[in-house]
Amino acid sequence: NAGVMQNPRHLVRRRGQEARLRCSPMKGHSHVYWYRQLPEEGLKFMVYLQKENIIDESGMPKERFSAEFPKEGPSILRIQQVVRGDSAAYFCASSPSDRNYGYTFGSGTRLTVV
Amino acid sequence: DAKTTQPNSMESNEEEPVHLPCNHSTISGTDYIHWYRQLPSQGPEYVIHGLTSNVNNRMASLAIAEDRKSSTLILHRATLRDAAVYYCILRAWGSGSARQLTFGSGTQLTVLP
Repeated sequence: NAGVMQNPRHLVRRRGQEARLRCSPMKGHSHVYWYRQLPEEGLKFMVYLQKENIIDESGMPKERFSAEFPKEGPSILRIQQVVRGDSAAYFCASSPSDRNYGYTFGSGTRLTVV
Repeated sequence: DAKTTQPNSMESNEEEPVHLPCNHSTISGTDYIHWYRQLPSQGPEYVIHGLTSNVNNRMASLAIAEDRKSSTLILHRATLRDAAVYYCILRAWGSGSARQLTFGSGTQLTVLP
């Protein structure tokens, strides 16, 4: 079991470009969570998805950010028109259900906006 | 969300036990106590969780106070690889808005050789 796979590991974008971050959950996990960690700050929840559904997006910025988890394929976190403040580590986690299982996190995507 | 309080940092000697405390005086009856850790440049890693009884697994032990207002993560024999930020998190059972984990600032554990 390869665990939660995130790619790319590092991503550099110029201001105004789009960033697409991918997350493949563990086999058998249908619940995906995205977190952001700004430099020298803690992990902040962004969005929680199940297959084809957004369950909780209370932590997502209202503009430029979107997430999806299609029936087939990985979950995608999309950031349009990136700005320097978007530079951060973005982590994805998965779990087999919304009951009290531990989350399995990926190694993250480090986005740098230049 | 019920809040947890942890020391900012702790030090331990290699091969000695480590007790990482967490206070959660406003915990509710349906809150589970979760512990995660984050090694440098990595994603968080699940360590252990419990509700009322003490819990053991291959990584650590979790001791929960009888009134549940505090808990302690116990690493029985610290290694250099255990140097990380340790997060104590409360997670409510079955409540839609609390399905996600809320991370605080955690405890930075330094293990001295």
